[in-house]
Amino acid sequence: KQEVTQIPAALSVPEGENLVLNCSFTDSAIYNLQWFRQDPGKGLTSLLLIQSSQREQTSGRLNASLDKSSGRSTLYIAASQPGDSATYLCAVTGANSKLTFGKGITLSVRP
Amino acid sequence: EPEVTQTPSHQVTQMGQEVILRCVPISNHLYFYWYRQILGQKVEFLVSFYNNEISEKSEIFDDQFSVERPDGSNFTLKIRSTKLEDSAMYFCASTGQGRETQYFGPGTRLLVL
Repeated sequence: KQEVTQIPAALSVPEGENLVLNCSFTDSAIYNLQWFRQDPGKGLTSLLLIQSSQREQTSGRLNASLDKSSGRSTLYIAASQPGDSATYLCAVTGANSKLTFGKGITLSVRP
Repeated sequence: EPEVTQTPSHQVTQMGQEVILRCVPISNHLYFYWYRQILGQKVEFLVSFYNNEISEKSEIFDDQFSVERPDGSNFTLKIRSTKLEDSAMYFCASTGQGRETQYFGPGTRLLVL
């Protein structure tokens, strides 16, 4: 059974810092990995999708990498801003196309 | 930009009552999903739906749950007899192909009293 882990559960950084959010998964037989942002009490906003054949994807200040064989992904956020404060969720897609989520990392960027 | 919509945004119901949660997926999408998130816990998969039938369902999706695509635009989740533990945020998602980006709706917060 696929398990997705995100550690730490929470992170607080000063504005302007570059940061890395980690995600690990137990079964490397995935089709893709998706990073989401969730604001309190809100829905999930897709940030990046990395196909299993890809190593990384970039969107603006965000860069996600994938090492499928070791079961790891990272989300790099450059020059963090207070508006980046949210919970970041990692999810992997298996053969059946369902998403298996981690619990998320709650990021707080201090002005 | 196309988006997934869900109604209602909040629903309060009494234990044992039936509820229907509604979703309008992105119009040209073919795969539809329901997930739920109990407060403070992970987002959990409930069911996937393709070509007018269930593709897969989790152990949570028991006989009290059902899904339907009654017309070309709506996708519904019915809970026949709600329990206290059904209280959660329910998310609908859709994708054009089974392994592409899943787009999520804003969720319906269900509270069972």
